Amino acid sequence: DTGVSQDPRHKITKRGQNVTFRCDPISEHNRLYWYRQTLGQGPEFLTYFQNEAQLEKSRLLSDRFSAERPKGSFSTLEIQRTEQGDSAMYLCASNRETSGISGEQFFGPGTRLTVL
Amino acid sequence: GENVEQHPSTLSVQEGDSAVIKCTYSDSASNYFPWYKQELGKGPQLIIDIRSNVGEKKDQRIAVTLNKTAKHFSLHITETQPEDSAVYFCAESGGYQKVTFGIGTKLQVIP
Repeated sequence: DTGVSQDPRHKITKRGQNVTFRCDPISEHNRLYWYRQTLGQGPEFLTYFQNEAQLEKSRLLSDRFSAERPKGSFSTLEIQRTEQGDSAMYLCASNRETSGISGEQFFGPGTRLTVL
Repeated sequence: GENVEQHPSTLSVQEGDSAVIKCTYSDSASNYFPWYKQELGKGPQLIIDIRSNVGEKKDQRIAVTLNKTAKHFSLHITETQPEDSAVYFCAESGGYQKVTFGIGTKLQVIP
């Protein structure tokens, strides 16, 4: 399977704990995006990387959230001191930037986080 | 900032009928308008997209229209089938960066 993969698929944690999610994009894709989706809503942009550089962060990304893409391949999203409001589906997407032309973002299956 | 309004939020149609979902956007710089289908437990999957230099695009039973002057775009699904049942999201992007999604339309096709 050459699609975007995410791990874990489900995570249940207690309030105050730290969690880390991983995303493996499609191999030739240099752009990687993180979104958050709550029940009954569309995905909301959190941040994106071009290669290893984090180029934009949403206001939704509080200081408890940090994302990395150290070698320009896989990415991790860490949430520190989780709160119940962090419960959501965390989606990763990737694509390949070519000459500034917008194109399809390929989404992974998501990681569903439940904070008790 | 960017904003995409989508309606209806739910839509039920009889199998074989057409379904129409409408969206409006506010950012004049938007130039790319994808439509995604999301099935339960899965990530969104692109079904069709349209760029700002095109007014209409069709792919088999799916068509999209774009009115840049009015900042409206629509998805049309003809001859609906039960497997079309899912949540559909319109979205917009001003470039190769983030995509702003609508709230979603839950489509139910009744056999």
